[in-house]
Amino acid sequence: DVVMTQSPLSLSVTLGQPASISCRSSQSLVHSDGKIYLNWFQQRPGQSPRRLIYKVSNRDFGVPDRFSGSGSDTEFTLKISRVETEDVGVYYCMQSSHWPPYTFGQGTKLEIK
Amino acid sequence: EVQLVESGGGLVQPGGSLRLSCEASGFAFSTYWMNWVRQAPGKGLEWVANIKPDGSQKSYVDSVKGRFIISRDNARNSLYLQMDSLRAEDTAVYYCARGGFFDWWGQGTLVTVSS
Repeated sequence: DVVMTQSPLSLSVTLGQPASISCRSSQSLVHSDGKIYLNWFQQRPGQSPRRLIYKVSNRDFGVPDRFSGSGSDTEFTLKISRVETEDVGVYYCMQSSHWPPYTFGQGTKLEIK
Repeated sequence: EVQLVESGGGLVQPGGSLRLSCEASGFAFSTYWMNWVRQAPGKGLEWVANIKPDGSQKSYVDSVKGRFIISRDNARNSLYLQMDSLRAEDTAVYYCARGGFFDWWGQGTLVTVSS
């Protein structure tokens, strides 16, 4: 199984400042079709997860452009250029390149300082 | 608008059974893979099972193999999870999620396994 490891596990950021979350996979996420299926999800307190980013760097409809994803092979990053109050929650990376099983990172809790 | 609505959760004793349902609307359900994902209280997300659009292929996480069965009824736009031999560690909110990219999620239904 592919193990996804996120860091840090918690993040305290001042409003308007940037934030960065790292996600590392235990093996390359390059699929046999040449693409990388790495997704990022946001889970606000008391809510269901919501997908933010798919295939490393593609933002979902309605996701603010302050969110961006990057990376390749086994190293991936979610960046928030300027943190806002509504960004509080837990962020998960998830790989869908090599399944079953699909695997998630442990989650990174973002709070406002 | 895409909607996924789970139901069927509740309190069950260890060793008991429960059947979860997920009713889909707003998209062509019969053309999508579907998933169940769970989240234990205060913990992270864990993929549980998925099923091909025509129901001919199913996959499970190792911890539920032989105990859980995923199924679907495309005529009713519904996804199911039959859970047998339930254990305390199955206690979680269970979400249904659409497709291989998990682009839509339901609100979840809570399953509590306790005596």
